[in-house]
Amino acid sequence: AQKVTQAQTEISVVEKEDVTLDCVYETRDTTYYLFWYKQPPSGELVFLIRRNSFDEQNEISGRYSWNFQKSTSSFNFTITASQVVDSAVYFCALHDMRFGAGTRLTVKP
Amino acid sequence: KAGVTQTPRYLIKTRGQQVTLSCSPISGHRSVSWYQQTPGQGLQFLFEYFSETQRNKGNFPGRFSGRQFSNSRSEMNVSTLELGDSALYLCASSFLPHHAGTGENIQYFGAGTRLSVL
Repeated sequence: AQKVTQAQTEISVVEKEDVTLDCVYETRDTTYYLFWYKQPPSGELVFLIRRNSFDEQNEISGRYSWNFQKSTSSFNFTITASQVVDSAVYFCALHDMRFGAGTRLTVKP
Repeated sequence: KAGVTQTPRYLIKTRGQQVTLSCSPISGHRSVSWYQQTPGQGLQFLFEYFSETQRNKGNFPGRFSGRQFSNSRSEMNVSTLELGDSALYLCASSFLPHHAGTGENIQYFGAGTRLSVL
């Protein structure tokens, strides 16, 4: 089965807190790609990161970091020192553009 | 470089009518995909076009159709609208087909067209 699960429907944090968004996937493919997108209130999905199944190195980009663990089929996303502008819905997706249900993150000042 | 442009941004229709949505991809991108986003079903893939040919199709009824022009612009049409068709319709473009190969091509999304069916 091809499936992406984002168990956290909504998360609310106070500014400057760290927050981790979980993503668990199922795929029958041996080579695959995973994506994270951010959807702010404007509606447009903004590409954040792509990771292929052969690269299990963690990725850091500024306050954003991603932890890919093939053994647990997880691709989690952490925002360090969250800011109000991080408030959005975050989607994890498989290479066939099968999306998770999304996690709505609210960062309060 | 201009992003993906979708028009119109908002649309109100009544049941039974038909609607056409438009998408202009990023310059140089030849693949356009369409998605439907609803609170209940989330983001669902509708279809993908590349070089004026439909490359892949999601699990939607035949009332949903699309086409792509030689300049890569794409239109999506929904006929005989139902209340359940109310949704945000998102268009995404990429240089190569996303649903070919291993799907490594990154898709860039427009802001969407919000369709309300009354």
